[in-house]
Amino acid sequence: GAGVSQSPSNKVTEKGKDVELRCDPISGHTALYWYRQSLGQGLEFLIYFQGNSAPDKSGLPSDRFSAERTGGSVSTLTIQRTQQEDSAVYLCASSFVGASSYNEQFFGPGTRLTVL
Amino acid sequence: GDSVTQMEGPVTLSEEAFLTINCTYTATGYPSLFWYVQYPGEGLQLLLKATKADDKGSNKGFEATYRKETTSFHLEKGSVQVSDSAVYFCALSGSGLSGGYNKLIFGAGTRLAVHP
Repeated sequence: GAGVSQSPSNKVTEKGKDVELRCDPISGHTALYWYRQSLGQGLEFLIYFQGNSAPDKSGLPSDRFSAERTGGSVSTLTIQRTQQEDSAVYLCASSFVGASSYNEQFFGPGTRLTVL
Repeated sequence: GDSVTQMEGPVTLSEEAFLTINCTYTATGYPSLFWYVQYPGEGLQLLLKATKADDKGSNKGFEATYRKETTSFHLEKGSVQVSDSAVYFCALSGSGLSGGYNKLIFGAGTRLAVHP
């Protein structure tokens, strides 16, 4: 079946502009995660959605970052007033939450964001 | 807080050499441990996992044993191939007490280059 998809695959923007990154999780997966992969910081957790629960935003680096998940499926990560340090690959993952204490996360190909 | 430390790369080996990539962790409770792999131009893929102490995860000839006494999860392979060239990430997630929520905390990644 289809995996996690993300769009765009590449985004180049100018400093100060807003960007929106999209994630389409695997159908039926109730949990959705955003991570960021950058040269200086490695792989960092950003935000997590699970069903109708309030999202865990503890990893968002600043209030310029926000995310929403509509209808329990597609998610959009928005970065306002982009800065050069926001340049990174943004990864989305999803998992099915079941009875097991661990639910494997499946990752999308990522969106490479470059802020000029 | 929880953290993962893995050996710095790059690791350069000849084909059929023995591979070890060290990984140690700091965590409260009883985390699950993982190795993820990122092949050139591809997304993150789960390579193997172990969910409790003394478990051994294995896949594609790779193995790692969850050692609680040394808080380690070293990745090993007896005979590497050129196709194993990739970046390897050690990661942990929570104990799952909250039921299905497993934010991943990653190590910095180790780049492996295998030459013929």
